[in-house]
Amino acid sequence: QSALTQPPSASGSPGQSVTISCTGTSSDVGGYDYVSWYQQHPGKAPKLMIYEVSKRPSGVPDRFSGSKSGNTASLTVSGLQPEDEADYYCSSYAGSNNWVFGRGAKLTVL
Amino acid sequence: EAQLVESGGDLVQPGGSLRLSCEGSGFTFSNYWMSWVRQAPGKGLEWVANINGDGRQKYYGDSVRGRSTISRDEAKNSIYLQMNSLRTEDTAVYYCARGRFCASGSCYWDYWGQGILVTVSS
Repeated sequence: QSALTQPPSASGSPGQSVTISCTGTSSDVGGYDYVSWYQQHPGKAPKLMIYEVSKRPSGVPDRFSGSKSGNTASLTVSGLQPEDEADYYCSSYAGSNNWVFGRGAKLTVL
Repeated sequence: EAQLVESGGDLVQPGGSLRLSCEGSGFTFSNYWMSWVRQAPGKGLEWVANINGDGRQKYYGDSVRGRSTISRDEAKNSIYLQMNSLRTEDTAVYYCARGRFCASGSCYWDYWGQGILVTVSS
Protein backbone atom coordinates (compact mmCIF):
# COMPACT_ATOMS: atom_id res chain seq x y z
CA GLN A 1 0.00 0.00 0.00
CA SER A 2 1.55 3.31 -1.09
CA ALA A 3 1.59 6.31 1.21
CA LEU A 4 -0.70 9.19 0.32
CA THR A 5 0.98 12.19 -1.30
CA GLN A 6 1.28 15.38 0.70
CA PRO A 7 3.44 18.44 -0.01
CA PRO A 8 6.53 18.35 2.22
CA SER A 9 5.88 21.83 3.47
CA ALA A 10 3.39 24.68 3.63
CA SER A 11 3.60 28.10 5.20
CA GLY A 12 1.65 31.22 5.97
CA SER A 13 1.75 34.33 8.10
CA PRO A 14 -0.30 34.73 11.27
CA GLY A 15 -3.94 35.39 10.43
CA GLN A 16 -3.67 33.95 6.92
CA SER A 17 -5.18 30.72 5.62
CA VAL A 18 -3.23 27.74 4.36
CA THR A 19 -4.41 24.53 2.69
CA ILE A 20 -2.57 21.21 2.79
CA SER A 21 -3.47 18.61 0.19
CA CYS A 22 -3.51 14.83 0.45
CA THR A 23 -3.66 12.94 -2.84
CA GLY A 24 -4.41 9.27 -3.20
CA THR A 25 -6.25 7.09 -5.66
CA SER A 26 -9.76 5.84 -6.29
CA SER A 27 -8.85 2.88 -4.06
CA ASP A 28 -8.35 5.00 -0.99
CA VAL A 29 -9.09 8.74 -0.73
CA GLY A 30 -11.39 8.77 -3.76
CA GLY A 31 -13.23 5.62 -2.85
CA TYR A 32 -14.33 6.38 0.71
CA ASP A 33 -15.29 9.34 2.85
CA TYR A 34 -12.92 8.05 5.51
CA VAL A 35 -10.14 10.63 5.55
CA SER A 36 -8.76 11.89 8.85
CA TRP A 37 -6.12 14.46 9.70
CA TYR A 38 -3.61 14.58 12.56
CA GLN A 39 -1.44 17.33 14.00
CA GLN A 40 1.92 16.40 15.49
CA HIS A 41 4.22 18.75 17.34
CA PRO A 42 7.89 17.74 17.65
CA GLY A 43 8.39 14.92 20.11
CA LYS A 44 4.68 14.61 20.78
CA ALA A 45 1.98 12.11 19.90
CA PRO A 46 -0.35 12.86 16.98
CA LYS A 47 -3.63 14.63 17.72
CA LEU A 48 -6.86 14.05 15.78
CA MET A 49 -8.00 17.23 14.02
CA ILE A 50 -10.53 16.08 11.40
CA TYR A 51 -12.30 12.77 10.77
CA GLU A 52 -14.56 11.45 8.02
CA VAL A 53 -13.32 14.17 5.65
CA SER A 54 -14.81 17.21 7.35
CA LYS A 55 -15.95 16.44 10.88
CA ARG A 56 -14.21 18.17 13.75
CA PRO A 57 -13.79 16.50 17.16
CA SER A 58 -14.86 18.38 20.24
CA GLY A 59 -12.17 20.81 21.34
CA VAL A 60 -10.59 21.35 17.92
CA PRO A 61 -10.89 25.01 16.86
CA ASP A 62 -13.24 25.73 13.97
CA ARG A 63 -10.27 27.32 12.22
CA PHE A 64 -9.51 23.78 11.06
CA SER A 65 -11.66 22.40 8.26
CA GLY A 66 -11.51 19.49 5.85
CA SER A 67 -12.84 18.73 2.40
CA LYS A 68 -12.43 16.28 -0.46
CA SER A 69 -12.68 16.38 -4.21
CA GLY A 70 -12.06 13.25 -6.22
CA ASN A 71 -8.85 11.59 -5.10
CA THR A 72 -7.59 14.63 -3.16
CA ALA A 73 -8.49 15.62 0.38
CA SER A 74 -7.56 18.96 1.88
CA LEU A 75 -7.04 20.45 5.32
CA THR A 76 -7.48 24.21 5.60
CA VAL A 77 -6.24 26.18 8.57
CA SER A 78 -7.74 29.64 8.73
CA GLY A 79 -6.54 32.52 10.89
CA LEU A 80 -3.12 30.92 11.36
CA GLN A 81 -1.71 31.07 14.87
CA PRO A 82 1.86 30.35 16.01
CA GLU A 83 0.75 27.17 17.80
CA ASP A 84 -0.50 25.74 14.50
CA GLU A 85 3.13 25.20 13.44
CA ALA A 86 3.44 21.41 13.35
CA ASP A 87 3.50 18.40 11.07
CA TYR A 88 0.16 17.36 9.60
CA TYR A 89 -0.70 13.85 8.41
CA CYS A 90 -3.70 12.61 6.49
CA SER A 91 -5.01 9.07 6.69
CA SER A 92 -7.49 7.14 4.58
CA TYR A 93 -9.18 3.77 4.47
CA ALA A 94 -7.67 1.82 1.59
CA GLY A 95 -10.13 -1.06 1.41
CA SER A 96 -9.80 -4.68 2.55
CA ASN A 97 -9.15 -3.62 6.15
CA ASN A 98 -6.10 -1.56 5.31
CA TRP A 99 -5.39 2.03 6.28
CA VAL A 100 -2.75 4.34 4.87
CA PHE A 101 -1.17 7.59 6.02
CA GLY A 102 0.30 10.45 4.06
CA ARG A 103 4.01 11.26 4.24
CA GLY A 104 3.27 14.39 6.25
CA ALA A 105 3.48 18.13 5.64
CA LYS A 106 5.38 20.57 7.82
CA LEU A 107 3.37 23.74 8.40
CA THR A 108 5.46 26.82 9.18
CA VAL A 109 3.92 29.98 10.58
CA LEU A 110 6.10 32.79 9.30
CA GLU B 1 -10.30 11.21 30.00
CA ALA B 2 -8.82 8.28 28.14
CA GLN B 3 -5.15 7.54 28.68
CA LEU B 4 -2.86 5.07 26.94
CA VAL B 5 0.59 4.09 28.18
CA GLU B 6 2.99 1.97 26.12
CA SER B 7 5.86 -0.10 27.46
CA GLY B 8 8.29 -2.76 26.32
CA GLY B 9 10.46 -0.84 23.89
CA ASP B 10 14.08 -1.94 23.69
CA LEU B 11 17.21 -2.38 21.59
CA VAL B 12 16.96 -5.70 19.75
CA GLN B 13 19.24 -7.43 17.28
CA PRO B 14 18.00 -8.15 13.75
CA GLY B 15 16.07 -11.40 13.71
CA GLY B 16 15.05 -11.00 17.33
CA SER B 17 11.64 -10.66 18.98
CA LEU B 18 9.94 -8.12 21.19
CA ARG B 19 6.54 -7.65 22.81
CA LEU B 20 5.07 -4.21 23.24
CA SER B 21 2.30 -3.48 25.73
CA CYS B 22 -0.27 -0.70 25.99
CA GLU B 23 -2.50 -0.17 29.01
CA GLY B 24 -5.64 1.91 28.69
CA SER B 25 -7.59 3.75 31.36
CA GLY B 26 -10.43 6.24 31.64
CA PHE B 27 -12.74 4.44 29.21
CA THR B 28 -14.52 1.11 28.79
CA PHE B 29 -11.65 -0.69 27.11
CA SER B 30 -13.64 -3.59 25.68
CA ASN B 31 -15.90 -1.24 23.70
CA TYR B 32 -13.15 0.00 21.43
CA TRP B 33 -10.96 -1.05 18.59
CA MET B 34 -7.29 -0.51 19.39
CA SER B 35 -4.38 0.03 17.04
CA TRP B 36 -0.63 0.25 16.74
CA VAL B 37 0.84 2.99 14.56
CA ARG B 38 4.58 3.50 14.14
CA GLN B 39 6.89 6.29 13.08
CA ALA B 40 10.45 5.67 11.92
CA PRO B 41 12.98 8.34 12.93
CA GLY B 42 12.33 11.49 10.91
CA LYS B 43 9.62 9.78 8.88
CA GLY B 44 5.84 9.73 8.66
CA LEU B 45 3.20 7.67 10.39
CA GLU B 46 2.52 4.08 9.34
CA TRP B 47 -0.49 2.01 10.36
CA VAL B 48 0.66 -1.33 11.83
CA ALA B 49 -2.30 -3.29 13.20
CA ASN B 50 -5.90 -3.14 14.47
CA ILE B 51 -7.81 -5.33 16.90
CA ASN B 52 -11.52 -5.14 17.68
CA GLY B 53 -13.13 -5.03 21.10
CA ASP B 54 -13.48 -8.78 21.63
CA GLY B 55 -10.14 -9.61 20.04
CA ARG B 56 -11.62 -11.71 17.24
CA GLN B 57 -10.85 -9.36 14.37
CA LYS B 58 -7.23 -8.52 13.69
CA TYR B 59 -5.76 -6.72 10.70
CA TYR B 60 -2.16 -5.98 9.80
CA GLY B 61 -0.22 -3.67 7.55
CA ASP B 62 1.80 -5.20 4.74
CA SER B 63 5.13 -4.43 6.38
CA VAL B 64 4.43 -6.51 9.53
CA ARG B 65 1.89 -9.10 8.35
CA GLY B 66 3.19 -12.60 9.07
CA ARG B 67 5.80 -11.36 11.53
CA SER B 68 3.65 -9.67 14.15
CA THR B 69 0.62 -10.53 16.27
CA ILE B 70 -1.72 -8.10 17.96
CA SER B 71 -3.69 -9.29 21.00
CA ARG B 72 -5.58 -7.93 23.97
CA ASP B 73 -6.30 -8.83 27.61
CA GLU B 74 -9.52 -7.27 28.89
CA ALA B 75 -8.70 -8.12 32.50
CA LYS B 76 -5.63 -5.92 32.22
CA ASN B 77 -7.15 -3.29 29.90
CA SER B 78 -4.18 -3.89 27.65
CA ILE B 79 -3.19 -4.65 24.10
CA TYR B 80 0.04 -6.17 22.92
CA LEU B 81 2.14 -6.36 19.79
CA GLN B 82 4.35 -9.40 19.51
CA MET B 83 7.00 -8.70 16.87
CA ASN B 84 9.20 -11.46 15.48
CA SER B 85 11.96 -11.63 12.87
CA LEU B 86 12.69 -7.98 13.51
CA ARG B 87 14.45 -5.99 10.81
CA THR B 88 16.40 -2.74 10.98
CA GLU B 89 13.51 -1.07 9.14
CA ASP B 90 11.23 -1.86 12.09
CA THR B 91 13.13 0.76 14.11
CA ALA B 92 10.50 3.30 15.09
CA VAL B 93 8.46 4.90 17.81
CA TYR B 94 5.39 2.70 18.26
CA TYR B 95 2.17 4.40 19.28
CA CYS B 96 -0.88 2.72 20.76
CA ALA B 97 -4.09 4.46 19.70
CA ARG B 98 -7.84 4.08 20.29
CA GLY B 99 -9.71 3.50 17.06
CA ARG B 100 -13.24 4.65 16.27
CA PHE B 101 -15.61 2.91 13.88
CA CYS B 102 -12.87 0.72 12.45
CA ALA B 103 -15.43 -1.98 11.58
CA SER B 104 -16.95 0.32 8.97
CA GLY B 105 -13.60 1.39 7.51
CA SER B 106 -13.72 4.87 8.98
CA CYS B 107 -11.13 4.07 11.65
CA TYR B 108 -9.84 7.33 12.99
CA TRP B 109 -7.72 7.49 16.12
CA ASP B 110 -8.91 9.83 18.87
CA TYR B 111 -6.52 9.04 21.72
CA TRP B 112 -2.84 8.19 21.45
CA GLY B 113 -0.17 7.04 23.86
CA GLN B 114 3.13 8.88 24.22
CA GLY B 115 4.92 6.29 22.11
CA ILE B 116 7.70 3.80 22.83
CA LEU B 117 10.97 3.43 20.95
CA VAL B 118 11.99 0.15 19.36
CA THR B 119 15.51 0.02 17.96
CA VAL B 120 16.62 -2.91 15.80
CA SER B 121 20.37 -2.90 15.38
CA SER B 122 23.37 -5.15 15.73
